[in-house]
Amino acid sequence: EADIYQTPRYLVIGTGKKITLECSQTMGHDKMYWYQQDPGMELHLIHYSYGVNSTEKGDLSSESTVSRIRTEHFPLTLESARPSHTSQYLCASSEWGYRSGGTQYFGPGTRLLVL
Amino acid sequence: GQQLNQSPQSMFIQEGEDVSMNCTSSSIFNTWLWYKQDPGEGPVLLIALYKAGELTSNGRLTAQFGITRKDSFLNISASIPSDVGIYFCAGQLPNFGNEKLTFGTGTRLTIIP
Repeated sequence: EADIYQTPRYLVIGTGKKITLECSQTMGHDKMYWYQQDPGMELHLIHYSYGVNSTEKGDLSSESTVSRIRTEHFPLTLESARPSHTSQYLCASSEWGYRSGGTQYFGPGTRLLVL
Repeated sequence: GQQLNQSPQSMFIQEGEDVSMNCTSSSIFNTWLWYKQDPGEGPVLLIALYKAGELTSNGRLTAQFGITRKDSFLNISASIPSDVGIYFCAGQLPNFGNEKLTFGTGTRLTIIP
C-alpha cells in the first residue's frame, strides 16, 4: 500500500483566500505530481517534480504554484482562490527506474470547493 | 497531446458476471497501468505491465499489455459489489526520464441488483 498523504481531505473556502494543499510521501520517491480531476472525469497533470528544487508545469495550465524543498513534501498553493478552482486535487509519486519509473502511487486527494 | 481511448465508458452488470474493458492508442507505450478509483478517493494501482505481451493477474483481475504496445485490456472475473467504481488505464510513453502518464477517460462499473 502506498504511503502518500494529503491534507486537508476536504476544504471549503471563500473567493480570494490563499490556500495550500499539502502532500507528503514516505517512500523516498524522487518524483512527485499534482493532478486536477473533476468528479468522474479523467486526470489532468498540472505540476510535477523530478526532485528537490525541481518543478515543472504539466499539460493543463493552472494558476497554482508548487515548491519542492524536501524530497518527501510537495505542497500546492493557490494565491487567490476562485470558484473555477473547485475540483479534486490528487498528489502522486513515483521512483526512478526505466521500468518502474512510470508507476505512480496516488494520495487520497483533496476536494476543494471555492464559494 | 497523446490520447487513450478507453471503452466502454460505462458498464451495468449483475453480481457474478465477468467484466472486460480496454484501452487503445495510436501511440506506443512503454508501460500500461490500471487503476481503480472510488468516489472521493485517489486512484489505487491494480496492475502494472512493463513488457509487450505480458499477462498479469491480481486475484480476480487479469490485465495484458498488447503485443503492438498500443493497447491493453483488463478483465475482472466473478464481479462482486466492491468492484463498483471507475477504472482508469494509463500509459507511459517510451522516453526515458519522461515518466508522465497519459490517462484514459475511465470505465464506470455499476453492479445492478
